[in-house]
Amino acid sequence: KAGVTQTPRYLIKTRGQQVTLSCSPISGHRSVSWYQQTPGQGLQFLFEYFSETQRNKGNFPGRFSGRQFSNSRSEMNVSTLELGDSALYLCASSSDATNEKLFFGSGTQLSVL
Amino acid sequence: QKEVEQDPGPLSVPEGAIVSLNCTYSNSAFQYFMWYRQYSRKGPELLMYTYSSGNKEDGRFTAQVDKSSKYISLFIRDSQPSDSATYLCAMTSSGNTPLVFGKGTRLSVIA
Repeated sequence: KAGVTQTPRYLIKTRGQQVTLSCSPISGHRSVSWYQQTPGQGLQFLFEYFSETQRNKGNFPGRFSGRQFSNSRSEMNVSTLELGDSALYLCASSSDATNEKLFFGSGTQLSVL
Repeated sequence: QKEVEQDPGPLSVPEGAIVSLNCTYSNSAFQYFMWYRQYSRKGPELLMYTYSSGNKEDGRFTAQVDKSSKYISLFIRDSQPSDSATYLCAMTSSGNTPLVFGKGTRLSVIA
């Protein structure tokens, strides 16, 4: 069974641009969560989608948004990029409606110059 | 005070040593506790999962939860160089709420 796939693996953008990251969960998993990981703050929760509905949202500004499609694939978008948005963005999926056991992708490393 | 505190290390031990990794937390509602292992340039992978208090053993790994002290531990016996990674604790109050992670402890096992 294929794992969680995130694309692209690396991304370099400049301030003010916007970016879209993609996540394909494990086949059959309907819940997708997004986390931001930085050396200073660790893993911080962005949002979670279950069956195309946002179920939970973290404490990030409105520039961060996401969505989930009917095939459970998910995208997150960051508009008006800031230097502080440089981070590893991780997507995780779970097989049911609970978050107890998350399976993570390898992440997208975003650098904002 | 952060919800979950974890010593970032780094922690360096010789091969074969017993490793103890710990997290403390402040939210008494937490009842699901996990340990994830993250290798360099990879996403975290679930290592251990414990519900409420008690011990859980899986091979060389033992997870302990002491809810009265708000303290969780992960023990690694007979540590191997392949155990060199960052270990993250995570916890949540229910299956419908997001996981809260510690910042991770970086472990190096020296051959």
